[in-house]
Amino acid sequence: AQSVTQLDSHVSVSEGTPVLLRCNYSSSYSPSLFWYVQHPNKGLQLLLKYTSAATLVKGINGFEAEFKKSETSFHLTKPSAHMSDAAEYFCVVSGRGGADGLTFGKGTHLIIQP
Amino acid sequence: NAGVTQTPKFRILKIGQSMTLQCAQDMNHNYMYWYRQDPGMGLKLIYYSVGAGITDKGEVPNGYNVSRSTTEDFPLRLELAAPSQTSVYFCASGPLQETQYFGPGTRLLVL
Repeated sequence: AQSVTQLDSHVSVSEGTPVLLRCNYSSSYSPSLFWYVQHPNKGLQLLLKYTSAATLVKGINGFEAEFKKSETSFHLTKPSAHMSDAAEYFCVVSGRGGADGLTFGKGTHLIIQP
Repeated sequence: NAGVTQTPKFRILKIGQSMTLQCAQDMNHNYMYWYRQDPGMGLKLIYYSVGAGITDKGEVPNGYNVSRSTTEDFPLRLELAAPSQTSVYFCASGPLQETQYFGPGTRLLVL
C-alpha cells in the first residue's frame, strides 16, 4: 500500500517569487511519483513524473521536483511564480498496478498575489 | 486526437434515478479509469480496466458499475443515485498504468 501527504492545503506567494509545494510519500515498493495540476473547472494535467531515473525531474511550465528517498519527499518547486500558475496541485504516487493504481494527495491550492 | 472525452459535462439527478456517464478515448490506450473527486479532496479510484472485457474494482466501487466492450469506451453506470454520489467524476486512460491522461470531468449533483 502507499500513501501521500501534501503538507500544505494552501500556499500563497507573490508573482515573481519562488514556489515550494511539499509532498511526502510512503510506499512498500520503489515508487513512481507524479505532480498533476488542475486549473479551475478543468481536468488534470501531468506536470512531471519520477520513475527511478534522475532524482531531479524537470516538468512543464518551469516546474521541477526532487526525489529524496532518505526523506521520502518529492517537493515541487518553481523559481518564479506566474499568475497563470494559480491552480490546485496534486502529488501522486503509483503502486504496482491494479487497485493500487494511483494514490492522490488531497491537493495544495496555490494562490499567486499580484 | 480528441484525447479523453466525457459526457455530459453537468447533470442533476433525483435520488433513485439512474444514469450513465460516458467516457471515450481515441488514443488506443489499454488502461482506463474512473475517479471521483469530492470537494477539497484528491481523486479516488472507482473502477479501472486493463483492456476490453476486463474490469476491476478500485477503492470506492459501491453504487457503481462499469463495462468495457471496446478499447475506446468505458461507461460508468449509477443505478440508484444517492446524495453521497454528488461529486466530480473524471475518466482517464493511458498506455501504461503509470501514465494517465484525464478527461475534463462530469459534475454530478444528486438531489
